[in-house]
Amino acid sequence: SQTIHQWPATLVQPVGSPLSLECTVEGTSNPNLYWYRQAAGRGLQLLFYSVGIGQISSEVPQNLSASRPQDRQFILSSKKLLLSDSGFYLCAWSKRTVGTDTQYFGPGTRLTVL
Amino acid sequence: DQQVKQNSPSLSVQEGRISILNCDYTNSMFDYFLWYKKYPAEGPTFLISISSIKDKNEDGRFTVFLNKSAKHLSLHIVPSQPGDSAVYFCAASGWRGDMRFGAGTRLTVKP
Repeated sequence: SQTIHQWPATLVQPVGSPLSLECTVEGTSNPNLYWYRQAAGRGLQLLFYSVGIGQISSEVPQNLSASRPQDRQFILSSKKLLLSDSGFYLCAWSKRTVGTDTQYFGPGTRLTVL
Repeated sequence: DQQVKQNSPSLSVQEGRISILNCDYTNSMFDYFLWYKKYPAEGPTFLISISSIKDKNEDGRFTVFLNKSAKHLSLHIVPSQPGDSAVYFCAASGWRGDMRFGAGTRLTVKP
């Protein structure tokens, strides 16, 4: 069966510090991968998605970037965190099958920028 | 731009009654719709889905209805149980596979 891991689970970082959140998927190959953010009191905002190694699409201009160095690894980064980057970050994967794109989420990372 | 909208931020129902959560979308290119359930500090879990070629899909106590002409879908939970209390997200995706989520509705089921 497929599993998705995210770490760390929680993170407190000062403004201006760098960020690296990691997501890995097991039990499948060639998945689509996604990063979402859930800010307090808001829905899920798609940040990035990837259909393959090195292929990243960005949904919104922001202080964050994403990379996919391996097939089942997705990394969310920032060079300098802003207060507004605080939120709950979720990684998700889906099979690369058009029309049945159920996404499965990881446990999330709670990021607090102080 | 909000392509998927859940206009009710919260809903409270009595245990045993029906819960109806609503969702509207604007993009006619969406062809696959899903509902997710989310507890605090956890990732959303997939609940039920429906493709645009259907107007109803049922799984146990959960039924999703799709009205393509109105660009509206709803989730019915019958009977509602206290363990159903969570935030429910509606989502929609199109041929590209990227998904759009609503803002969520917090369901509270009272014993």
